[in-house]
Amino acid sequence: AQKITQTQPGMFVQEKEAVTLDCTYDTSDQSYGLFWYKQPSSGEMIFLIYQGSYDEQNATEGRYSLNFQKARKSANLVISASQLGDSAMYFCAMRGPYYGQNFVFGPGTRLSVLP
Amino acid sequence: EAQVTQNPRYLITVTGKKLTVTCSQNMNHEYMSWYRQDPGLGLRQIYYSMNVEVTDKGDVPEGYKVSRKEKRNFPLILESPSPNQTSLYFCASRSYRGEKLFFGSGTQLSVL
Repeated sequence: AQKITQTQPGMFVQEKEAVTLDCTYDTSDQSYGLFWYKQPSSGEMIFLIYQGSYDEQNATEGRYSLNFQKARKSANLVISASQLGDSAMYFCAMRGPYYGQNFVFGPGTRLSVLP
Repeated sequence: EAQVTQNPRYLITVTGKKLTVTCSQNMNHEYMSWYRQDPGLGLRQIYYSMNVEVTDKGDVPEGYKVSRKEKRNFPLILESPSPNQTSLYFCASRSYRGEKLFFGSGTQLSVL
């Protein structure tokens, strides 16, 4: 069975600093996808970044990058130059193999950016 | 505009009173799914559908029903709601070979 672990229930970061949100996953599949979503206080789910299990390069999207370490089964999100608007809940998620139907989410990390 | 539309946004009901939360997408996506979000547990999948008339259970299906009679619609039905179904519910869709899940804006349900 697939499982996502996010060990940081809450984190603080100073504005303009970089922050890393941890995510480890467990799966026996060789093909899978890893995602990060942001949920601001308004409640919507915002897609941030995607990494495929066969992608050799770490994914990047603007200020977001995914530090993918396959052997360690980790997919940490790095946010560079934090902004006040980055304060939100962040979810790591994984989908099953071959565009499978099963998406599993972690419990989330609440990030607070301090001015 | 490509979107997933959920209604209602907020719903307060009483135990045992049947309710339906609607979900519609305009992207011709094959895959649709329902999640509930609870503090400390993240999002858990309730049901999903790979196409019209094809539905399957997720991780927490008890107390819920779904149907997929049209490609664009995937309603969530609670035939006899109970207080432990108080939660934030999300509908999501994606194309069959797509990676990104598109989420609706959520439905906050309170069962008294």
